[in-house]
Amino acid sequence: AQSVAQPEDQVNVAEGNPLTVKCTYSVSGNPYLFWYVQYPNRGLQFLLKYITGDNLVKGSYGFEAEFNKSQTSFHLKKPSALVSDSALYFCAVRDAPGTYKYIFGTGTRLKVLA
Amino acid sequence: NAGVTQTPKFQVLKTGQSMTLQCAQDMNHNSMYWYRQDPGMGLRLIYYSASEGTTDKGEVPNGYNVSRLNKREFSLRLESAAPSQTSVYFCASSVLSPEGEAFFGQGTRLTVV
Repeated sequence: AQSVAQPEDQVNVAEGNPLTVKCTYSVSGNPYLFWYVQYPNRGLQFLLKYITGDNLVKGSYGFEAEFNKSQTSFHLKKPSALVSDSALYFCAVRDAPGTYKYIFGTGTRLKVLA
Repeated sequence: NAGVTQTPKFQVLKTGQSMTLQCAQDMNHNSMYWYRQDPGMGLRLIYYSASEGTTDKGEVPNGYNVSRLNKREFSLRLESAAPSQTSVYFCASSVLSPEGEAFFGQGTRLTVV
């Protein structure tokens, strides 16, 4: 079965420093990978996705993610963190063809310190 | 452009009461989903509808029923609410193609006392 893992419950980073939020995946075929962000009392907002092609994917709000097939990872990155980036981040993989369910990780809370 | 609209936003139920959570999307998406979000558990899929006329169980379907009323609307029903169903519920929709991202509603915060 498809799955994703987010090994860190929380990541703290100083404002202006680079940030990384980790995600590893397990799929039986081609991976379709997504990152979402959730601000307090809000729904999830789409940030970026990897479908095929370039291993470095650029998304909203200056975020990017690096797909690494050999390490089965899809880490979210940003060169310079902002306090306003503090939120809950979810990695997701889309399930097998024919069903297309989204399988979510448990989430990583990012705290950017001023 | 409304996107995915959920009603109500908040609800308090007594144990044993029933209620229906409503969801509608205006993006002409084929697929719709119901998730619940609990601290430390991420989002867990309750039911989904890959396309109009079909519904399937997700990871945690017990205690819930769904209806895909038409292409736009997908409702979630709790027949006899239990305190374990206290959660935040999210509806989402997407295109059927695997490349498509999901679009989420703003959630329903449900408390069962």
